[in-house]
Amino acid sequence: SQKIEQNSEALNIQEGKTATLTCNYTNYSPAYLQWYRQDPGRGPVFLLLIRENEKEKRKERLKVTFDTTLKQSLFHITASQPADSATYLCAPLSGGYNKLIFGAGTRLAVHP
Amino acid sequence: DADVTQTPRNRITKTGKRIMLECSQTKGHDRMYWYRQDPGLGLRLIYYSFDVKDINKGEISDGYSVSRQAQAKFSLSLESAIPNQTALYFCATGTDTDTQYFGPGTRLTVL
Repeated sequence: SQKIEQNSEALNIQEGKTATLTCNYTNYSPAYLQWYRQDPGRGPVFLLLIRENEKEKRKERLKVTFDTTLKQSLFHITASQPADSATYLCAPLSGGYNKLIFGAGTRLAVHP
Repeated sequence: DADVTQTPRNRITKTGKRIMLECSQTKGHDRMYWYRQDPGLGLRLIYYSFDVKDINKGEISDGYSVSRQAQAKFSLSLESAIPNQTALYFCATGTDTDTQYFGPGTRLTVL
């Protein structure tokens, strides 16, 4: 079955450093993958979409890579700020159902 | 005004009661979704609809039903609420690439 894996342990980093979050998927090849940010008690917010023929996508301080060979996407936040503290969800398009599958998310804590 | 609205925002009810959570959107999207989220856990899909005539069960549909009254409205019902349905419920709309836009959530407590 299709499986999405994100690190369940929180990532703690110092302000100004680059945060890197990992998303692995197994048993299929999504045509594209999306990343969302979720703050406590609020709905997820869309950040970026990357397609299988795109190796990298950038938006301001955010960068996403998509390695279809490794079946992995990396999400980077450069020059991180305490305001970047949140849970980040990976969501590849499912195979055969034409809708996203959301990972459980990784919590990022940026310390001053 | 918010693009995706949910009512009520908070609800406390008793075991066995029927309740309805409502979702409205002004984004003009055909796709709509209902999710639940338990503390510290990820989103779980309850039902989804790709257009007014299309309703599909998600991974945890037992104990829930939905109604798609119009493109803009998608309601979730708990026919006989039970305590383990206490959770945060999110409605979302989706584009053709399934980019999803979430409502503010409904916090439901079943006593």
